[in-house]
Amino acid sequence: DGGITQSPKYLFRKEGQNVTLSCEQNLNHDAMYWYRQDPGQGLRLIYYSQIVNDFQKGDIAEGYSVSREKKESFPLTVTSAQKNPTAFYLCASSTPGQRVNEQFFGPGTRLTVL
Amino acid sequence: DAKTTQPPSMDCAEGRAANLPCNHSTISGNEYVYWYRQIHSQGPQYIIHGLKNNETNEMASLIITEDRKSSTLILPHATLRDTAVYYCIVGGNQAGTALIFGKGTTLSVSS
Repeated sequence: DGGITQSPKYLFRKEGQNVTLSCEQNLNHDAMYWYRQDPGQGLRLIYYSQIVNDFQKGDIAEGYSVSREKKESFPLTVTSAQKNPTAFYLCASSTPGQRVNEQFFGPGTRLTVL
Repeated sequence: DAKTTQPPSMDCAEGRAANLPCNHSTISGNEYVYWYRQIHSQGPQYIIHGLKNNETNEMASLIITEDRKSSTLILPHATLRDTAVYYCIVGGNQAGTALIFGKGTTLSVSS
């Protein structure tokens, strides 16, 4: 079935370590997004990519990095520069054109930094 | 900041219609109204969107006022599985425009 996969579902890391979150989609979507969600809050945009080898910063890009080498994949690295990395991370994708904001979301990765 | 205002919570009896309001008084002419919902600890799910006409699909109906400053999402026959946080978002439909998710409305459906 077509969809977005994120792995792992739960991730634990020690403070000061970089960690990479995986996001893969087989929907043939051009655009992909990373959001962060804190308890009781809405989603905040970290990075988005409209096409392979191109990406733009969202509202809270500091301390994060991304790459888009393949259409299907948009990994997010949480670096040690991110002051408060513990959060729920959501990846999404969409097709270009008029349905660009009908975003399909993955199940999320819950990152806990100890 | 989110461009929309929603009540933090609402209750609805199972089988009844759930009407979720949203104010978006600063919406611009080329911005759409989108609705998503998020069931606990899952990724959000797209529900419906519209520009100025009312819209209906298999999940819900969207009623947008004539001045476009507010809208209402209608779930015609709410079920327990409709318990979720519902987000009302305004945004363009061009590639690269980012959606801003606020805190949404927590809808609790009870039997």
